[in-house]
Amino acid sequence: AQSVAQPEDQVNVAEGNPLTVKCTYSVSGNPYLFWYVQYPNRGLQFLLKYITGDNLVKGSYGFEAEFNKSQTSFHLKKPSALVSDSALYFCAVRDRMDSSYKLIFGSGTRLLVRP
Amino acid sequence: GAGVSQSPRYKVTKRGQDVALRCDPISGHVSLYWYRQALGQGPEFLTYFNYEAQQDKSGLPNDRFSAERPEGSISTLTIQRTEQRDSAMYRCASSFPDSTAEQFFGPGTRLTVL
Repeated sequence: AQSVAQPEDQVNVAEGNPLTVKCTYSVSGNPYLFWYVQYPNRGLQFLLKYITGDNLVKGSYGFEAEFNKSQTSFHLKKPSALVSDSALYFCAVRDRMDSSYKLIFGSGTRLLVRP
Repeated sequence: GAGVSQSPRYKVTKRGQDVALRCDPISGHVSLYWYRQALGQGPEFLTYFNYEAQQDKSGLPNDRFSAERPEGSISTLTIQRTEQRDSAMYRCASSFPDSTAEQFFGPGTRLTVL
């Protein structure tokens, strides 16, 4: 069965400091991995994805994520956090061997960037 | 429109009533998905379509839930005989028909069953 774990309910960081939001996954085959962000009263917005190739993926708003196959992780990172980055972040996985295109989401991590 | 739209944005109904939730995907997006999101949780897959064909309905919780997309564009998720446990945010997404494609989400419909 496919699953995603986001071990931290909330991450607190000061503006200007680097941030990391953790994600680990479990799939039977090889994964496609995604990060989405949700602002209050808004839909989920796509940030970035890993499909194949370079393990470091760059996405929107200066975010990046590193795929680590041995650790089955796909942590989201940003070198310098902004207050406006405060939001709810979701990691999602799709097993590339699965004929269904559905995404399996983690439970989310709330990022709070303090001024 | 430019994005996925859903209507209504908010729906309050009484237990036992039927509700229909509508999703209008991004033009040209062949694949359409329905998810349900409980408060404090990530979205949970319900069903998805390619064109008008329902490809996977494994996430529908029981036979009170059904979905259709008769012309391969707009989709309707119907919940019959609603129960309080059906209260949640229902989200629709669309994408190109590619397993690597990202899904674009609508704003959701907040369903409250009294």
